[in-house]
Amino acid sequence: QQQVKQSPQSLIVQKGGISIINCAYENTAFDYFPWYQQFPGKGPALLIAIRPDVSEKKEGRFTISFNKSAKQFSLHIMDSQPGDSATYFCAAKDDKIIFGKGTRLHILP
Amino acid sequence: NAGVTQTPKFQVLKTGQSMTLQCAQDMNHEYMSWYRQDPGMGLRLIHYSVGAGITDQGEVPNGYNVSRSTTEDFPLRLLSAAPSQTSVYFCASSYGRLGNTIYFGEGSWLTVV
Repeated sequence: QQQVKQSPQSLIVQKGGISIINCAYENTAFDYFPWYQQFPGKGPALLIAIRPDVSEKKEGRFTISFNKSAKQFSLHIMDSQPGDSATYFCAAKDDKIIFGKGTRLHILP
Repeated sequence: NAGVTQTPKFQVLKTGQSMTLQCAQDMNHEYMSWYRQDPGMGLRLIHYSVGAGITDQGEVPNGYNVSRSTTEDFPLRLLSAAPSQTSVYFCASSYGRLGNTIYFGEGSWLTVV
Protein backbone atom coordinates (compact mmCIF):
# COMPACT_ATOMS: atom_id res chain seq x y z
CA GLN A 1 0.00 0.00 0.00
CA GLN A 2 1.29 3.39 -0.97
CA GLN A 3 1.65 5.59 2.09
CA VAL A 4 2.39 8.81 0.21
CA LYS A 5 0.59 9.45 -3.08
CA GLN A 6 2.05 12.06 -5.40
CA SER A 7 0.63 13.64 -8.55
CA PRO A 8 1.10 14.37 -11.36
CA GLN A 9 3.79 11.98 -12.60
CA SER A 10 5.04 14.60 -15.04
CA LEU A 11 4.42 18.29 -15.53
CA ILE A 12 5.31 20.80 -18.23
CA VAL A 13 5.13 24.49 -17.37
CA GLN A 14 6.02 27.61 -19.32
CA LYS A 15 8.84 29.78 -17.99
CA GLY A 16 7.41 32.26 -15.51
CA GLY A 17 4.40 30.10 -14.73
CA ILE A 18 3.40 28.36 -11.49
CA SER A 19 4.24 24.69 -11.01
CA ILE A 20 2.02 22.78 -8.58
CA ILE A 21 2.68 19.27 -7.29
CA ASN A 22 0.32 17.53 -4.91
CA CYS A 23 0.72 14.82 -2.28
CA ALA A 24 -1.64 12.95 0.01
CA TYR A 25 -0.97 10.68 2.97
CA GLU A 26 -2.87 8.30 5.22
CA ASN A 27 -0.75 7.85 8.34
CA THR A 28 -1.65 10.50 10.93
CA ALA A 29 1.57 9.68 12.82
CA PHE A 30 3.60 11.48 10.17
CA ASP A 31 5.03 14.62 11.76
CA TYR A 32 7.28 16.12 9.12
CA PHE A 33 6.73 16.66 5.40
CA PRO A 34 9.74 17.52 3.25
CA TRP A 35 10.11 18.06 -0.47
CA TYR A 36 13.22 16.90 -2.28
CA GLN A 37 14.64 17.97 -5.62
CA GLN A 38 16.70 15.61 -7.76
CA PHE A 39 18.74 16.39 -10.86
CA PRO A 40 19.79 13.60 -13.26
CA GLY A 41 22.70 11.53 -11.95
CA LYS A 42 22.51 13.06 -8.48
CA GLY A 43 21.00 12.14 -5.15
CA PRO A 44 17.90 13.98 -3.94
CA ALA A 45 18.45 17.16 -1.94
CA LEU A 46 16.13 18.83 0.57
CA LEU A 47 14.25 21.75 -0.94
CA ILE A 48 11.74 22.82 1.71
CA ALA A 49 9.83 21.16 4.55
CA ILE A 50 6.84 21.76 6.82
CA ARG A 51 5.42 20.48 10.10
CA PRO A 52 1.70 19.72 10.48
CA ASP A 53 1.08 22.59 12.91
CA VAL A 54 1.73 25.10 10.10
CA SER A 55 -0.54 25.61 7.09
CA GLU A 56 1.97 27.28 4.80
CA LYS A 57 5.70 27.77 4.51
CA LYS A 58 7.45 29.92 1.95
CA GLU A 59 11.12 30.02 0.99
CA GLY A 60 11.87 32.24 -1.96
CA ARG A 61 9.88 30.99 -4.96
CA PHE A 62 8.95 27.74 -3.23
CA THR A 63 5.85 27.39 -1.05
CA ILE A 64 4.38 24.38 0.75
CA SER A 65 0.66 24.43 1.50
CA PHE A 66 -0.50 21.95 4.13
CA ASN A 67 -4.06 20.80 4.83
CA LYS A 68 -4.03 18.62 7.94
CA SER A 69 -7.73 17.73 7.90
CA ALA A 70 -7.55 16.58 4.28
CA LYS A 71 -4.15 14.95 4.82
CA GLN A 72 -2.80 16.71 1.76
CA PHE A 73 0.12 18.98 1.03
CA SER A 74 1.42 20.62 -2.09
CA LEU A 75 4.48 22.35 -3.50
CA HIS A 76 4.08 25.57 -5.47
CA ILE A 77 6.97 26.92 -7.54
CA MET A 78 6.34 30.53 -8.49
CA ASP A 79 7.94 32.15 -11.54
CA SER A 80 9.20 28.73 -12.69
CA GLN A 81 12.60 28.77 -14.41
CA PRO A 82 14.32 26.29 -16.75
CA GLY A 83 16.79 25.57 -13.93
CA ASP A 84 13.87 24.21 -11.89
CA SER A 85 13.54 21.33 -14.35
CA ALA A 86 14.12 18.26 -12.16
CA THR A 87 12.32 15.44 -10.41
CA TYR A 88 10.52 16.43 -7.22
CA PHE A 89 9.63 14.06 -4.40
CA CYS A 90 7.32 14.67 -1.50
CA ALA A 91 7.94 12.66 1.64
CA ALA A 92 6.54 12.04 5.08
CA LYS A 93 8.26 11.00 8.28
CA ASP A 94 7.39 9.17 11.48
CA ASP A 95 10.33 7.00 12.62
CA LYS A 96 11.30 6.52 8.97
CA ILE A 97 10.96 8.61 5.83
CA ILE A 98 8.64 7.46 3.05
CA PHE A 99 8.72 9.09 -0.37
CA GLY A 100 6.14 9.63 -3.06
CA LYS A 101 6.80 8.31 -6.57
CA GLY A 102 8.07 11.63 -7.86
CA THR A 103 7.09 14.26 -10.42
CA ARG A 104 9.25 15.05 -13.43
CA LEU A 105 8.99 18.78 -13.98
CA HIS A 106 10.04 20.41 -17.24
CA ILE A 107 10.05 24.18 -17.60
CA LEU A 108 9.83 25.38 -21.18
CA PRO A 109 12.22 28.26 -21.99
CA ASN B 1 33.65 16.95 5.28
CA ALA B 2 32.66 14.24 2.78
CA GLY B 3 28.99 13.83 3.82
CA VAL B 4 27.51 10.51 2.69
CA THR B 5 29.87 8.38 0.61
CA GLN B 6 28.70 5.38 -1.39
CA THR B 7 30.83 2.81 -3.18
CA PRO B 8 30.91 1.48 -5.82
CA LYS B 9 29.35 4.02 -8.17
CA PHE B 10 28.66 1.41 -10.85
CA GLN B 11 28.51 -2.39 -10.66
CA VAL B 12 27.47 -5.23 -12.95
CA LEU B 13 26.63 -8.54 -11.30
CA LYS B 14 25.66 -11.93 -12.60
CA THR B 15 22.50 -13.54 -11.28
CA GLY B 16 23.26 -15.39 -8.07
CA GLN B 17 26.37 -13.42 -7.19
CA SER B 18 26.66 -11.61 -3.90
CA MET B 19 27.99 -8.16 -3.21
CA THR B 20 27.99 -5.37 -0.66
CA LEU B 21 27.21 -1.74 -1.30
CA GLN B 22 29.19 0.40 1.11
CA CYS B 23 27.88 3.55 2.79
CA ALA B 24 29.76 5.80 5.17
CA GLN B 25 28.92 9.17 6.70
CA ASP B 26 31.17 11.51 8.64
CA MET B 27 28.48 13.72 10.18
CA ASN B 28 27.91 11.59 13.32
CA HIS B 29 24.34 10.92 12.17
CA GLU B 30 22.35 8.36 14.12
CA TYR B 31 19.79 7.63 11.40
CA MET B 32 20.90 5.87 8.20
CA SER B 33 18.86 4.25 5.48
CA TRP B 34 18.97 2.62 2.07
CA TYR B 35 16.57 3.37 -0.78
CA ARG B 36 16.23 2.00 -4.26
CA GLN B 37 15.03 4.15 -7.13
CA ASP B 38 13.30 2.64 -10.12
CA PRO B 39 11.54 4.41 -13.02
CA GLY B 40 8.00 5.32 -12.07
CA MET B 41 8.40 3.90 -8.56
CA GLY B 42 10.13 6.77 -6.81
CA LEU B 43 12.34 6.09 -3.81
CA ARG B 44 11.47 2.98 -1.85
CA LEU B 45 12.89 2.32 1.59
CA ILE B 46 14.80 -0.96 1.88
CA HIS B 47 16.21 -0.93 5.42
CA TYR B 48 16.95 1.71 7.99
CA SER B 49 18.83 2.11 11.25
CA VAL B 50 18.22 4.52 14.13
CA GLY B 51 21.61 3.85 15.71
CA ALA B 52 24.53 1.46 15.98
CA GLY B 53 23.32 -2.10 16.55
CA ILE B 54 19.72 -1.31 15.54
CA THR B 55 18.22 -2.03 12.12
CA ASP B 56 14.70 -2.38 10.81
CA GLN B 57 12.93 -3.23 7.59
CA GLY B 58 11.48 -0.69 5.23
CA GLU B 59 9.02 -1.10 2.35
CA VAL B 60 11.02 -3.52 0.18
CA PRO B 61 13.48 -5.47 2.37
CA ASN B 62 13.41 -8.88 0.67
CA GLY B 63 16.72 -9.94 -0.85
CA TYR B 64 18.75 -7.45 1.16
CA ASN B 65 20.58 -7.58 4.49
CA VAL B 66 22.06 -4.77 6.54
CA SER B 67 24.10 -4.34 9.68
CA ARG B 68 25.14 -1.31 11.73
CA SER B 69 28.23 -2.11 13.78
CA THR B 70 29.40 1.52 13.89
CA THR B 71 27.70 4.91 13.70
CA GLU B 72 29.57 5.74 10.50
CA ASP B 73 28.92 2.69 8.33
CA PHE B 74 25.77 1.05 7.01
CA PRO B 75 26.53 -1.58 4.34
CA LEU B 76 23.81 -3.15 2.19
CA ARG B 77 24.31 -6.80 1.23
CA LEU B 78 22.79 -8.64 -1.71
CA LEU B 79 23.24 -12.33 -0.91
CA SER B 80 22.07 -13.76 -4.25
CA ALA B 81 21.51 -11.05 -6.83
CA ALA B 82 18.46 -11.20 -9.10
CA PRO B 83 17.65 -9.15 -12.23
CA SER B 84 14.80 -7.54 -10.26
CA GLN B 85 17.45 -5.90 -8.09
CA THR B 86 18.76 -3.88 -11.01
CA SER B 87 18.29 -0.35 -9.74
CA VAL B 88 19.92 2.80 -8.45
CA TYR B 89 20.63 2.58 -4.74
CA PHE B 90 20.86 5.59 -2.46
CA CYS B 91 22.20 5.67 1.05
CA ALA B 92 20.98 8.49 3.29
CA SER B 93 21.55 9.76 6.80
CA SER B 94 20.17 12.30 9.24
CA TYR B 95 20.93 13.49 12.74
CA GLY B 96 19.04 11.71 15.49
CA ARG B 97 15.88 9.67 15.45
CA LEU B 98 13.87 12.84 15.00
CA GLY B 99 16.39 14.29 12.57
CA ASN B 100 14.75 16.12 9.76
CA THR B 101 17.11 16.96 6.94
CA ILE B 102 18.13 13.72 5.28
CA TYR B 103 21.33 13.77 3.28
CA PHE B 104 21.73 11.45 0.32
CA GLY B 105 24.80 9.93 -1.22
CA GLU B 106 25.46 10.17 -4.95
CA GLY B 107 23.95 6.77 -5.71
CA SER B 108 25.16 3.33 -6.82
CA TRP B 109 24.04 2.05 -10.21
CA LEU B 110 23.64 -1.74 -10.06
CA THR B 111 22.87 -3.98 -13.02
CA VAL B 112 22.18 -7.69 -12.53
CA VAL B 113 22.41 -9.75 -15.72
